[in-house]
Amino acid sequence: AQTIHQWPVAEIKAVGSPLSLGCTIKGKSSPNLYWYWQATGGTLQQLFYSITVGQVESVVQLNLSASRPKDDQFILSTEKLLLSHSGFYLCAWSWTGGTYEQYFGPGTRLTVL
Amino acid sequence: QQKVQQSPESLSVPEGGMASFNCTSSDRNFQYFWWYRQHSGEGPKALMSIFSDGDKKEGRFTAHLNKASLHVSLHIRDSQPSDSALYFCAASEQRTQVVGQLTFGSGTRLQVYA
Repeated sequence: AQTIHQWPVAEIKAVGSPLSLGCTIKGKSSPNLYWYWQATGGTLQQLFYSITVGQVESVVQLNLSASRPKDDQFILSTEKLLLSHSGFYLCAWSWTGGTYEQYFGPGTRLTVL
Repeated sequence: QQKVQQSPESLSVPEGGMASFNCTSSDRNFQYFWWYRQHSGEGPKALMSIFSDGDKKEGRFTAHLNKASLHVSLHIRDSQPSDSALYFCAASEQRTQVVGQLTFGSGTRLQVYA
């Protein structure tokens, strides 16, 4: 069975500080990977997607970057946090050979003060 | 303007009742639609997809798609308290379906009361 793990569970960071969020998928080789951002109670905005190791496409510009250093790992980062970065960050995966359903992780709650 | 608009913003139904959600796209490139559900503090989970005109039924859930009007709906019969959650409509284009580019609507919050 496939499992998706996100870390950390929650972060409280200062404006201007760096950030690194991680996501690992186990039990599925070569998945498509995604990062989403969600304001509290709000819609989900897709930030990045990756269909293979080392390749990441940006969907929206939010002063964030993403990398896929391994087949099963997706990293979201920034060197300088803004207040507007607060929210819920979700990692998801899908399988191109299937129905394109996306499977979401438990998320990381980020508070920027 | 959001490309995927949902209504109502919130909905309250009695246990055992019918809950209905609406979603309209303003982009004719959107051909594939999903309904996702998110319980508080968790990641969303897909309920069902609908890619063809007409109805699609899965257990207590029925989705309907009208591509001509770019309208998709979701109906939950025999609603249970565990159905209380945030419901999202999501859409993708044919050309971006394979890479999984999804546009989500603003969501509808459902409360099922006993």
